[in-house]
Amino acid sequence: NAGVTQTPKFQVLKTGQSMTLQCAQDMNHEYMSWYRQDPGMGLRLIHYSVGAGITDQGEVPNGYNVSRSTTEDFPLRLLSAAPSQTSVYFCASSYSASGNTIYFGEGSWLTVV
Amino acid sequence: AQKVTQAQTEISVVEKEDVTLDCVYETRDTTYYLFWYKQPPSGELVFLIRRNSFDEQNEISGRYSWNFQKSTSSFNFTITASQVVDSAVYFCAGLDSNYQLIWGAGTKLIIKP
Repeated sequence: NAGVTQTPKFQVLKTGQSMTLQCAQDMNHEYMSWYRQDPGMGLRLIHYSVGAGITDQGEVPNGYNVSRSTTEDFPLRLLSAAPSQTSVYFCASSYSASGNTIYFGEGSWLTVV
Repeated sequence: AQKVTQAQTEISVVEKEDVTLDCVYETRDTTYYLFWYKQPPSGELVFLIRRNSFDEQNEISGRYSWNFQKSTSSFNFTITASQVVDSAVYFCAGLDSNYQLIWGAGTKLIIKP
């Protein structure tokens, strides 16, 4: 049982480059989300999805795109990386949005130089 | 807007002492969920507990206990007979009616041998 799988675990980007953080879950969860965690802070919601074909913005969506073409996958795209996007990114999933246990991936450490 | 406050930035205790981590969740929603997560130095997020706002019963799981008081919007977490392995950053989070998980800034707990 893989749970929530994020790739890559570490990435260094140059300013202006684009990239996609992959997230996949094998628990048939409807709700998936992306967070970023900056030093000394809690997680902040970037985008979320309540089911395939449905996405919405969270607290800090600027500079990021998402899509949800399947239940299993929820990739996060950085359109034009900026140093301010240096952070640790967590993908999460749960059976529904209404308070079930939320499972997190192991995190992706992204540095933009 | 919802807000999660963890007023204690860092707590340091000697092993075997009891320690309480405070959390206050401000919201206008009458129905919400509260969570506690542990983030050890390795960086992953470990789920500890989920509590519905209608359930004000205290909960105990081994050395861990939680006290939820809706009247004060507090959801405090107590570790009894702390151990060095309890050293981590602990996050409190609230899930609102818009499916957004709002996180506190975290409390860094240091258990000294």
